[in-house]
Amino acid sequence: DIQMTQSPSSLSASVGDRVTITCQASHDIKDYLNWYQQTPGQAPKLLIFDASNLETGVPSRFSGGASGTDFTFTITGLQPEDFATYFCQQYYDLPYTFGQGTKLDIK
Amino acid sequence: QVLLVQSGAEVKKPGASVKVSCQTSGYTFNDYYVHWVRQAPGQGLEWMGWINPYNGGTNYAQKFHGRVTMTTDTSISTVYMELNSLRSDDTAIFYCARMRIVAASYSFDIWGQGTVVTVSS
Repeated sequence: DIQMTQSPSSLSASVGDRVTITCQASHDIKDYLNWYQQTPGQAPKLLIFDASNLETGVPSRFSGGASGTDFTFTITGLQPEDFATYFCQQYYDLPYTFGQGTKLDIK
Repeated sequence: QVLLVQSGAEVKKPGASVKVSCQTSGYTFNDYYVHWVRQAPGQGLEWMGWINPYNGGTNYAQKFHGRVTMTTDTSISTVYMELNSLRSDDTAIFYCARMRIVAASYSFDIWGQGTVVTVSS
């Protein structure tokens, strides 16, 4: 199985900050990576697909990047509604696997 | 509006089975695979498998082989996930999710609201 190592597991930040989350894949997964946001009591929501493509309707302060097996997810100018948990997910090979998540909370 | 609406919470005893439904609407049922993902309390997301509503084909994660069965009822655009021989560590929220496929791009674009399954004696 492809392991997705996500870091940090938690992160404290303030409104207006820029934050970056990373995911490292155990194998080459090309750009077959998605990012999801989950708020408490809700289902995950797709934000970024194919490593760097913004899902329709998602604000442009969210962005994604890739370099080899390393992937980044950045929020530029945190808004109050962005405090949530974020997951990466690879779809290069079955079983699809997720990172362990990054909980972003208010400093 | 595309919706996936799941059945309500369940409490089961160890060794029992649970069957969770996922009723879809707002799109052509046969056109999208439906996947199941579970999330144990305070934990991450774990992929369980998929079903192709067009032909009923399935693919299950090795971890759940022999314990999970995914089926459909095309007359009501509903997908089911049944998990047998429940254990306490099966306690989790179970989500169904639609997979959008565009060229080589695969993503879970629509999710159900989740079904809490509690396994306890």
